[in-house]
Amino acid sequence: EAGVTQFPSHSVIEKGQTVTLRCDPISGHDNLYWYRRVMGKEIKFLLHFVKESKQDESGMPNNRFLAERTGGTYSTLKVQPAELEDSGVYFCASSRSPEEKLFFGSGTQLSVL
Amino acid sequence: AQSVTQLGSHVSVSEGALVLLRCNYSSSVPPYLFWYVQYPNQGLQLLLKYTSAATLVKGINGFEAEFKKSETSFHLTKPSAHMSDAAEYFCAVSSAPGGGNKLTFGTGTQLKVEL
Repeated sequence: EAGVTQFPSHSVIEKGQTVTLRCDPISGHDNLYWYRRVMGKEIKFLLHFVKESKQDESGMPNNRFLAERTGGTYSTLKVQPAELEDSGVYFCASSRSPEEKLFFGSGTQLSVL
Repeated sequence: AQSVTQLGSHVSVSEGALVLLRCNYSSSVPPYLFWYVQYPNQGLQLLLKYTSAATLVKGINGFEAEFKKSETSFHLTKPSAHMSDAAEYFCAVSSAPGGGNKLTFGTGTQLKVEL
């Protein structure tokens, strides 16, 4: 069974540019989460999808971040325009239900220069 | 609001020695607590989860953690470290009702295992 897949693994962009991160959850997992780790600090929750609906987006930093999950399968996280403080590792995770085991992808390392 | 604090951003042990990684929590309700491990270039992997069923929780790879309410602690231990245990370890608490996967993480502890 394939795990959670994230693409790209690394992205280097300039301030003001746009970047789109993609996450493919484990097949059959309705629950998809985005987390972010900035500058070696704690990993922080960004948002939670249940199928295609945003269940909780309380952790999204600001309106430069847009997450989508059309069709309830893969998800994208777009940052537009990117700022220096957006640099970090973005993790995607999925689970069958909100209380079942969470499986993480290996993350996307985003560097904004 | 729930939170966790991990004491020690870096811990170094000798192979075969006891591993002790510290985590203290703050929660206004009975907490659901987790330990995750991240090996280099991999995603986080669940080691164990505390759900109030038992105070001593056994996880994968020989790790276990003990919930101590009086000390608000959930320290992770392993009797004998192996080189393959070198990784970063994260303590986390659920911020969702019923222990859901909206997690608040600690800052992580990097474990180094030396020969």
